[in-house]
Amino acid sequence: ILNVEQSPQSLHVQEGDSTNFTCSFPSSNFYALHWYRWETAKSPEALFVMTLNGDEKKKGRISATLNTKEGYSYLYIKGSQPEDSATYLCAFGGAGSYQLTFGKGTKLSVIP
Amino acid sequence: DAGVTQSPTHLIKTRGQHVTLRCSPISGHKSVSWYQQVLGQGPQFIFQYYEKEERGRGNFPDRFSARQFPNYSSELNVNALLLGDSALYLCASSLNPEGGTYNEQFFGPGTRLTVL
Repeated sequence: ILNVEQSPQSLHVQEGDSTNFTCSFPSSNFYALHWYRWETAKSPEALFVMTLNGDEKKKGRISATLNTKEGYSYLYIKGSQPEDSATYLCAFGGAGSYQLTFGKGTKLSVIP
Repeated sequence: DAGVTQSPTHLIKTRGQHVTLRCSPISGHKSVSWYQQVLGQGPQFIFQYYEKEERGRGNFPDRFSARQFPNYSSELNVNALLLGDSALYLCASSLNPEGGTYNEQFFGPGTRLTVL
């Protein structure tokens, strides 16, 4: 059974603060790492799909890094806004598989 | 373009009953995946279908089955419902399943199933 861990479980930050979360995954048989944002009462929305060790991706104030050798990815949010409040999920994809294994998510609350 | 749609939105069943959940992918997407999400957990993979063929199956009992139709829509069926089947069932579509787990998945809003 694959183990994908996310930390922290939840996080409260003030508007304007920058923050980051961690996703840990198996370093063997790695193929892809996904990040999703899931707002309450909405569908999960894809943020990034990353495959290469050392990869960095950015979308507006949100960025992510990937270390496949040690099995972790960081998601960074710069200058958090109330609309960033959501659960952020990471998902591990193994080579030769069609299955994504999700972590439990990090719930972010941005206080105005 | 319409996103992934799922029906019904909510459903209440009793133990032992059968349920069918439906999913329509984004136009042009040929692959559909199903996930179960229980409170406090991340989505758990159930099935992936492409061109009406099962491409992958998660660790779920045979009470769970699915199929995909020629128009790429999909149904998830669960027989002999248990209380533990109460969950949000998510459907996701992707454009090119040949990319394996590299493919970005587009999720629907889910069907909330409650088993009493």
